[in-house]
Amino acid sequence: AQSVTQLGSHVSVSEGALVLLRCNYSSSVPPYLFWYVQYPNQGLQLLLKYTSAATLVKGINGFEAEFKKSETSFHLTKPSAHMSDAAEYFCAVTSGGGQGNLIFGKGTKLSVKP
Amino acid sequence: GAVVSQHPSWVICKSGTSVKIECRSLDFQATTMFWYRQFPKQSLMLMATSNEGSKATYEQGVEKDKFLINHASLTLSTLTVTSAHPEDSSFYICSAGLAGGPDTQYFGPGTRLTVL
Repeated sequence: AQSVTQLGSHVSVSEGALVLLRCNYSSSVPPYLFWYVQYPNQGLQLLLKYTSAATLVKGINGFEAEFKKSETSFHLTKPSAHMSDAAEYFCAVTSGGGQGNLIFGKGTKLSVKP
Repeated sequence: GAVVSQHPSWVICKSGTSVKIECRSLDFQATTMFWYRQFPKQSLMLMATSNEGSKATYEQGVEKDKFLINHASLTLSTLTVTSAHPEDSSFYICSAGLAGGPDTQYFGPGTRLTVL
């Protein structure tokens, strides 16, 4: 069975500070991993995905994530937060090949202070 | 990019009534549509997967007679919550996908259902 744990339901950073959103996964097969962002009253938008190629994945809006098998982690980072980054972020996992259903974490709400 | 809409964005209904939620892919044809439910401060949970013209596949624990899914065309899927009860109050999100893996899923904005 696969599962995702997002540490911290709410993260607050100052504008210009490093953003770090944590995601740990559990999977008995090689996983595909995703980060989605949800702005208020909007659908989920794919930020980036890991599909067994490069372990450091770059996504949209300056975000990136690194797959670390030894730590079963896929943390999301951004060097410098913008006010527009304030949103809900979801980590998700599926089975290798990307054909399985998405299993989502509970989400982390990111607040950015001026 | 691909856009998915949901209607209504929020609905309040009385216990015992039925509510229909529409999910439309606006600029592409979706071979598969997914319905998720999200309780406050919890994960999105997949309820069912539907392919156009065939019966939906429900996840374990989801009552198919209570949550009726119709995928009549490649751009429209509907979820009907029948005989709604307060415990059905939740945020319902649909996604539409092309053939392939979950990275081809495009999510709607969600529908907030409140059952009184």
